[in-house]
This record gives sequence, structure tokens and C-alpha cells, in this order.
Amino acid sequence: GNSVTQMEGPVTLSEEAFLTINCTYTATGYPSLFWYVQYPGEGLQLLLKATKADDKGSNKGFEATYRKETTSFHLEKGSVQVSDSAVYFCALSDRNNFNKFYFGSGTKLNVKP
Amino acid sequence: GAGVSQSPRYKVAKRGQDVALRCDPISGHVSLFWYQQALGQGPEFLTYFQNEAQLDKSGLPSDRFFAERPEGSVSTLKIQRTQQEDSAVYLCASSLSIGGGFTEAFFGQGTRLTVV
Repeated sequence: GNSVTQMEGPVTLSEEAFLTINCTYTATGYPSLFWYVQYPGEGLQLLLKATKADDKGSNKGFEATYRKETTSFHLEKGSVQVSDSAVYFCALSDRNNFNKFYFGSGTKLNVKP
Repeated sequence: GAGVSQSPRYKVAKRGQDVALRCDPISGHVSLFWYQQALGQGPEFLTYFQNEAQLDKSGLPSDRFFAERPEGSVSTLKIQRTQQEDSAVYLCASSLSIGGGFTEAFFGQGTRLTVV
């Protein structure tokens, strides 16, 4: 079946530190991969995506590369800000059904000034 | 309104009570999704509508769960005879297109249901 595993949080970093949030997946087919972010008091938002192997998704300084050989899609940012504090969800969708997503359990990031 | 609106924001129900959760999508949005998010977990798919047609309801956990979107705009998720395991945040999202699907969806803030 389809599933996503991501590192447990919370992750606490100082401002300007390097961020990595690990995400691995299991899929029956050839999935598309996503990172979503949920800021405090707000709804989920799409952060970035990658639809095929070796693609790199990027947005707002965040990056993730679709690694088929390791079934991973780790989220990275070179220098985090306090405003990046949020919960981050890794997700996949089956190519045959873009309307049904499988989410990881989320990783809470706290960035201290 | 400008975004997806869900009501109520919070609902406390006694076990066995029926509840109805409302979602007002962005005007003109064709696709509408319901997801369930248990505490400390990621969202799980419940159902998908394209206009008034419910095209996928494979995620509804039991026949106590029922969703409708009769006029292709407002949607209601109904849970009959609520159980404690139904306690979760219920997320609604809508998107303008069919092809882009969920990736172009805008989310509401959710309804937090607590069954006591």
C-alpha cells in the first residue's frame, strides 16, 4: 500500500540554523511527492512538490529532492527563520488518483530567535 | 467569502449523538475534499466531490459517515451515532480545477470534533 513516514518532532532550532526533516515513503506505483505546511491557526498549505525521480521541488528557501532509490523526500532549508515555525507534513499521491493523498504524521518545527 | 469556511469550529458531542459539519468552499470551485486528522497524526482522506457528484468515498470509515454536496457548492459531512474514535479535526478543501486536484486546493481551518 501507500504510506509516508517522517521524523518525529518537535524539532527545535536557533534562527539561521540548517534544517532537515526526513521523509520516506512506500508506494504501490510511481507516486508524486509533496510537502505541506501548517502555520499556527491556519489551514494546510502546499509548500513544494516533485512529480518524478530526481526532481527537486523548491519554495520559500525550502528544497526537497525526489530520491527513488532511497524512497525519500527529505525537506531542507539552509537558514531557518522564526517565521518558519510550523508543522510540516510529507505526503504522496498515486498518479492514478490525484485527489487522494497519503500524509505523514507531521513534524513540528520550533525556531528560536 | 475569500477562503474556505468551516462551521462550527468546535463541536462537543455526546457519544451516540448525530453531528453535521458544514463546509463553504470558495465560490466557483469544482472540487471539494474532506479529510480527517486525528490528534498527532496527518490528515486522512475521507471523500471527494466534483461539483455535486461524489466520485470517491473510499475513505469514509463506516456507514455512520455520510457526505453530500447537493448543489455543487456547500458540503455537509454527517456522522451518525458518534463514537469516541470519531474525535478528530475534520478538514475541508476546495479547488478550482479538476485536473490539478488536491495540489491546488485551499483548506479551511477545520472543525474540531470531540466526542465525550
